[in-house]
Amino acid sequence: DGGITQSPKYLFRKEGQNVTLSCEQNLNHDAMYWYRQDPGQGLRLIYYSQIVNDFQKGDIAEGYSVSREKKESFPLTVTSAQKNPTAFYLCASSIDQAGYGYTFGSGTRLTVV
Amino acid sequence: GQNIDQPTEMTATEGAIVQINCTYQTSGFNGLFWYQQHAGEAPTFLSYNVLDGLEEKGRFSSFLSRSKGYSYLLLKELQMKDSASYLCAVDRGSTLGRLYFGRGTQLTVWP
Repeated sequence: DGGITQSPKYLFRKEGQNVTLSCEQNLNHDAMYWYRQDPGQGLRLIYYSQIVNDFQKGDIAEGYSVSREKKESFPLTVTSAQKNPTAFYLCASSIDQAGYGYTFGSGTRLTVV
Repeated sequence: GQNIDQPTEMTATEGAIVQINCTYQTSGFNGLFWYQQHAGEAPTFLSYNVLDGLEEKGRFSSFLSRSKGYSYLLLKELQMKDSASYLCAVDRGSTLGRLYFGRGTQLTVWP
């Protein structure tokens, strides 16, 4: 079955460490997105990519980095420069036609310890 | 910026009907989505409106008025499992597939 796989589901990070969150899709979707969700907040866009080897900053890109070397994969690195990384991270993808919305991954909960 | 507003919390009882409103002010409009999200899980798609009017899908219906920048999600015959956060999201059409989300409405259904 096609879908998006995020891993790990739970991740703990020590202060000062970089961590990478995995996002893989086998839906043949062109566009992929990373969102951050905090309690009581909506989803805020970190980065997005519409094609391989190209990506754009979203609204809260500081302290994060991404790569898009393959169509199927869009990993997110949370760097030590991100001062408040504890949050729920969601990856999504969409096909190249407006109106179909997103397919979401199951999310990664990152906690700084 | 883009403003998408919805109430923070709502409560209702089993079997009742609840209406969750969403107002938006965005530069561009190419459709509005409603998602349901249970705590700690991914959002799941509920409905999509691009033209004015009501879309009905089982117990859930969604309405859109583009001239008023307004949508609502109507949930009928509420069940305990409907307790969740409901997210309103707008496609401005400016970036392929990018959605702008409201903060979500936390619905609690009481027995």
